[in-house]
Amino acid sequence: QSALTQPPSASGSPGQSVTISCTGTSSDVGAYNYVSWYQHHPGKAPKLIIYEVSKRPSGVPDRFSGSKSGNTASLTVSGLQADDEADYFCCSYAGGNNLYVFGTGTKVTVL
Amino acid sequence: QVQLVQSGAEVKKPGASVKVSCKASGYTFTIHNIHWARQAPGQSLEWMGWINLGIRSTKYSQNFRDRIAITGDTSANTVYMELSSLRSEDTAIYYCARTHDSGSWPGYWGQGTLVTVSS
Repeated sequence: QSALTQPPSASGSPGQSVTISCTGTSSDVGAYNYVSWYQHHPGKAPKLIIYEVSKRPSGVPDRFSGSKSGNTASLTVSGLQADDEADYFCCSYAGGNNLYVFGTGTKVTVL
Repeated sequence: QVQLVQSGAEVKKPGASVKVSCKASGYTFTIHNIHWARQAPGQSLEWMGWINLGIRSTKYSQNFRDRIAITGDTSANTVYMELSSLRSEDTAIYYCARTHDSGSWPGYWGQGTLVTVSS
């Protein structure tokens, strides 16, 4: 199973929005609504921000939203804030021998 | 609150084994599975396997099946991941993660453990 494809980087000014794509296949992203997104500040534990494509854990601001179309999932961060500057990666259930597959990661920069 | 605290960095020689621990707190230990994943330099995260602590069953990625063992100590609320026959390509940050309350995807992560394989 290959990693899910994300753009290496994305950026936006404070208050703007940025959208990150996560492209898989019909065996993972396209097959299941079990896509999750994580925010990772280097040196810290990754934090779940979206699960089941579009659901937010309690405590995660509604500035973070997720969606999916076909084999591609997307994360949108609206109203960018300085603390949103981090690495973001997606994850999808894939079944089979490798239950989960992760994205290649996107570094978000707040200009 | 849920916390996963991993053991410290390790340096190993090629051919050796490494055992990384993940101590859990803040929830009932046996209810949730624990995933292990790793991220090598410049690479994406790679799922390695998981353990169901309730029934003590494991599932491993085919990429590691012959070299990995994930075990749990319920008396210590700790999960261990042992990787054997280490090679330089195993240099990576290794993470444990607990399943989410609503499903089996990673919900809470440890801080990561750097394992360096070098002669």
